[in-house]
Amino acid sequence: GESVGLHLPTLSVQEGDNSIINCAYSNSASDYFIWYKQESGKGPQFIIDIRSNMDKRQGQRVTVLLNKTVKHLSLQIAATQPGDSAVYFCAETRPKLVFGKGTKLTVNP
Amino acid sequence: EADIYQTPRYLVIGTGKKITLECSQTMGHDKMYWYQQDPGMELHLIHYSYGVNSTEKGDLSSESTVSRIRTEHFPLTLESARPSHTSQYLCASSVGGAEETQYFGPGTRLLVL
Repeated sequence: GESVGLHLPTLSVQEGDNSIINCAYSNSASDYFIWYKQESGKGPQFIIDIRSNMDKRQGQRVTVLLNKTVKHLSLQIAATQPGDSAVYFCAETRPKLVFGKGTKLTVNP
Repeated sequence: EADIYQTPRYLVIGTGKKITLECSQTMGHDKMYWYQQDPGMELHLIHYSYGVNSTEKGDLSSESTVSRIRTEHFPLTLESARPSHTSQYLCASSVGGAEETQYFGPGTRLLVL
């Protein structure tokens, strides 16, 4: 069946650099997307969302970009900090939430 | 921070035992969900509820059952635990309607020996 997936299972960055985590989705009918952050031993935490009528949305240090033409979603984290180390999941609503496989972000000091 | 709670946080139990994982939320959300997640892997929906006395099976087949007698409470039960049930179980809730952002509890890590 159709699924949401991430391009890379792991990403390692230096503290202070910008991070970009990518996600490809296959259902063109999906109209709502969410990024979650999951720290070790905790449940997923909402970071930012975007609806299909938008192509960009900014939060505090995070930006989500949506490219509907190629069905691609990305999460950009500015000035990455050690506290950003976690697994990041994208999810799409169609209408129930479907999660991708996750990217583990490691921030090196 | 979301007000959704799960107990126990960790559970080690023998094969054949009956267990109930508790989930409660104080946000008045109509929709509640149970996910199963193996370490580092994606979340799989096993049960959901859109309101009191409403329960549905999710995308991943599960031998567990759920009930929704009160809005705030959505317990998950395994009648006879097996080692294959070893996993992390995450409970979530959402407001419902067009807003589908789900808020997650801390999870229960289950180990069946």
